[in-house]
Amino acid sequence: GQQLNQSPQSMFIQEGEDVSMNCTSSSIFNTWLWYKQDPGEGPVLLIALYKAGELTSNGRLTAQFGITRKDSFLNISASIPSDVGIYFCAGQLKGSGTYKYIFGTGTRLKVLA
Amino acid sequence: GAGVSQSPSNKVTEKGKDVELRCDPISGHTALYWYRQSLGQGLEFLIYFQGNSAPDKSGLPSDRFSAERTGGSVSTLTIQRTQQEDSAVYLCASSSSINQPQHFGDGTRLSIL
Repeated sequence: GQQLNQSPQSMFIQEGEDVSMNCTSSSIFNTWLWYKQDPGEGPVLLIALYKAGELTSNGRLTAQFGITRKDSFLNISASIPSDVGIYFCAGQLKGSGTYKYIFGTGTRLKVLA
Repeated sequence: GAGVSQSPSNKVTEKGKDVELRCDPISGHTALYWYRQSLGQGLEFLIYFQGNSAPDKSGLPSDRFSAERTGGSVSTLTIQRTQQEDSAVYLCASSSSINQPQHFGDGTRLSIL
């Protein structure tokens, strides 16, 4: 099935460091969503983006909807151990005739105390 | 309840048996989505409902898979004649409307022996 290109696939960082991950596609999206998933649980919504160029923050998290509508990034500042998990981007295609979401392949984040 | 509820949380069954997975969306949410997540992988779209109708069922892997939604609320995903490759976590999500972000349940972990 379709998936977004998400990078990096995984990263190990020291507590207190900033983290950046992104999603790219050759297609244009109406909406970008960022989720975090902990083991054994469903994804939890972090940030939703609706307009090209939009920059939105949620605590230590900041995400932007790329100006071309084909990409998005998520930044986490001053990481803490509970930031560990898998982060997914998801996009809703523009003009596709469907409202399904396509998910990225995930970024596995591990924080070293 | 306050969130999306899925049952059972775990299901183990023998190859060839039929299984039914249930999703109770957030009250009042008109859109409902089903995804499949294999171990260590991203989310694979299966089908979504707007009310009781399914505008996009393009992600269903084969005709052994079907889903229905009645009364604009509960949805069931049925897998007939299960195969070992059907083993995965099946996630359900709902949103207040088709353009709003989805909120996920914790999934049903399906294991086919």
